[in-house]
Amino acid sequence: AQSVTQPDARVTVSEGASLQLRCKYSYSGTPYLFWYVQYPRQGLQLLLKYYSGDPVVQGVNGFEAEFSKSNSSFHLRKASVHWSDSAVYFCVLSDPIGGSNAKLTFGKGTKLSVKS
Amino acid sequence: DPKIIQKPKYLVAVTGSEKILICEQYLGHNAMYWYRQSAKKPLEFMFSYSYQKLMDNQTASSRFQPQSSKKNHLDLQITALKPDDSATYFCASSQETGYAEQFFGPGTRLTVL
Repeated sequence: AQSVTQPDARVTVSEGASLQLRCKYSYSGTPYLFWYVQYPRQGLQLLLKYYSGDPVVQGVNGFEAEFSKSNSSFHLRKASVHWSDSAVYFCVLSDPIGGSNAKLTFGKGTKLSVKS
Repeated sequence: DPKIIQKPKYLVAVTGSEKILICEQYLGHNAMYWYRQSAKKPLEFMFSYSYQKLMDNQTASSRFQPQSSKKNHLDLQITALKPDDSATYFCASSQETGYAEQFFGPGTRLTVL
């Protein structure tokens, strides 16, 4: 069965510092991978997605993620965080076959707090 | 303008009652979904619909019944409510069920007393 693990429930960084949020997945093959962000009292917004090709994908607001098939990972990075980046970040997996299997599998989320 | 509308934003219900959560999307998508986010579990998939037909149901309980009166509507009826049903329910949509990128509504936070 497919699964997503985000090992860090909470991460705190200072404004201007770099960030890495970790994500490991379990899937037989190469899945579709996403990072979604949930700001306080809001719905989820897509940050970036990986389907195939270049393992480093760029997203909105300066975020990027790197896919590693050998490590079964899809870590999220940002060079310099801003206080407005404080939110919960979800690593998400989807079965590329799609169709009736197009449901998303979510990690538990990592709550990012940025100290000013 | 919001592309996916969920109503109400907050909902309080008593144990044993029935509620309907509303979802409308204005993205022109053909596939719609329901997810649940509770304090105890990660965000979990409940249902998927494509062209108003049920594609996948991962909800064990028949107390949860999706209803699609129009292509851009997917409501969620919950009967015999229990305190464990307390959660935020998110509606999502995608162009087709084969398109993995899904767009989410703001959610309905349900509290069952």
